[in-house]
Amino acid sequence: EAQVTQNPRYLITVTGKKLTVTCSQNMNHEYMSWYRQDPGLGLRQIYYSMNVEATDKGDVPEGYKVSRKEKRNFPLILESPSPNQTSLYFCASSLTSGGYYEQYFGPGTRLTVT
Amino acid sequence: SQQGEEDPQALSIQEGENATMNCSYKTSINNLQWYRQNSGRGLVHLILIRSNEREKHSGRLRVTLDTSKKSSSLLITASRAADTASYFCATEQLGGSYIPTFGRGTSLIVHP
Repeated sequence: EAQVTQNPRYLITVTGKKLTVTCSQNMNHEYMSWYRQDPGLGLRQIYYSMNVEATDKGDVPEGYKVSRKEKRNFPLILESPSPNQTSLYFCASSLTSGGYYEQYFGPGTRLTVT
Repeated sequence: SQQGEEDPQALSIQEGENATMNCSYKTSINNLQWYRQNSGRGLVHLILIRSNEREKHSGRLRVTLDTSKKSSSLLITASRAADTASYFCATEQLGGSYIPTFGRGTSLIVHP
């Protein structure tokens, strides 16, 4: 089944404790991205990747890191999480970049930083 | 980056009625997509309309695009309780970064 998976689905952590949210897709997609969703603010893009070893900042990259060493995986790293990073996070992928291709979204990771 | 803006923010209707939501954007686009999100879940692609198209249909969905007004509408006909969700438009700027950006969404509640 074609899908985007994220882990963990729920995470409660404390300020400053490094964490990684994994994202994997099995569709051989080139383009992957991370979004955060907050009430009243919609989806905001954190980082995106056009292909392996090609990543770039989205609208709200501060406090986040990503890497794309393999085509299928695109982990989101929070080196020193803070409470303002409490949010619902989505990973997405599409065949390639460009709005002609639909994005496939993961199920989401609900992160709480205390 | 540009962001489509959906209107209304929230819509409450009875089952069987039609639901219309709108998306406005600021600069010229290559295309526009509509997505649905069930509560707390990932977005699901509904339909894409290109800038040279004016209307598209998919089942009970009808999307229109008016590039002169920089707006799009999504019509769901004969709505069902299962249509209860948030609906987002995503626009790709003409000559932009080829990456779609999302609006804040319209929350639709369909009462059985």
